[in-house]
Amino acid sequence: DAKTTQPNSMESNEEEPVHLPCNHSTISGTDYIHWYRQLPSQGPEYVIHGLTSNVNNRMASLAIAEDRKSSTLILHRATLRDAAVYYCILGGEATGTASKLTFGTGTRLQVTL
Amino acid sequence: NAGVTQTPKFRVLKTGQSMTLLCAQDMNHEYMYWYRQDPGMGLRLIHYSVGEGTTAKGEVPDGYNVSRLKKQNFLLGLESAAPSQTSVYFCASNRGVYNEQFFGPGTRLTVL
Repeated sequence: DAKTTQPNSMESNEEEPVHLPCNHSTISGTDYIHWYRQLPSQGPEYVIHGLTSNVNNRMASLAIAEDRKSSTLILHRATLRDAAVYYCILGGEATGTASKLTFGTGTRLQVTL
Repeated sequence: NAGVTQTPKFRVLKTGQSMTLLCAQDMNHEYMYWYRQDPGMGLRLIHYSVGEGTTAKGEVPDGYNVSRLKKQNFLLGLESAAPSQTSVYFCASNRGVYNEQFFGPGTRLTVL
């Protein structure tokens, strides 16, 4: 299985942009890049996903390197509610056997006033 | 629209006891999943289902059984609980392989 590497923790000031990096040098051509986050004492929550092109939604943006060996989740204006563990996951197997996501330990984002 | 719900929220068992965790979703999703999360760790897939009447093993299936008799429900059973099964259990569902997974609030299980 392709693996991802993320920093253990990051800090940000409120109202500033946050760039969360993820390395996935062994990604295969059919692997989607998923981002989920987990707020304290809650289940994970979907953030965004993409394959090759950069993606935007109401929560965040996903910037994918041209060689797809790395990606960056961008929170445009961090708020205290964005403090969570962010997981970068490769998945979405094109085998019809469900999207078996493999969660690593993620990046713990702290947001301060 | 309640999304994904889990019952119970908390449970304490003694070693050797059995129990069933219930996951229900009202989004008509085909796929359902059971994960466990140990302290300071990411989630690990226990079992999953690609449709009513089907189940399959995930990364850590030993000591657990599952059933999907109805499309909206996915049950996780522990036949003989062990302290190593102390964890937080999350259920999730999604519409298809490339679709986002929706997670429940979790069940915190302690086995003494």
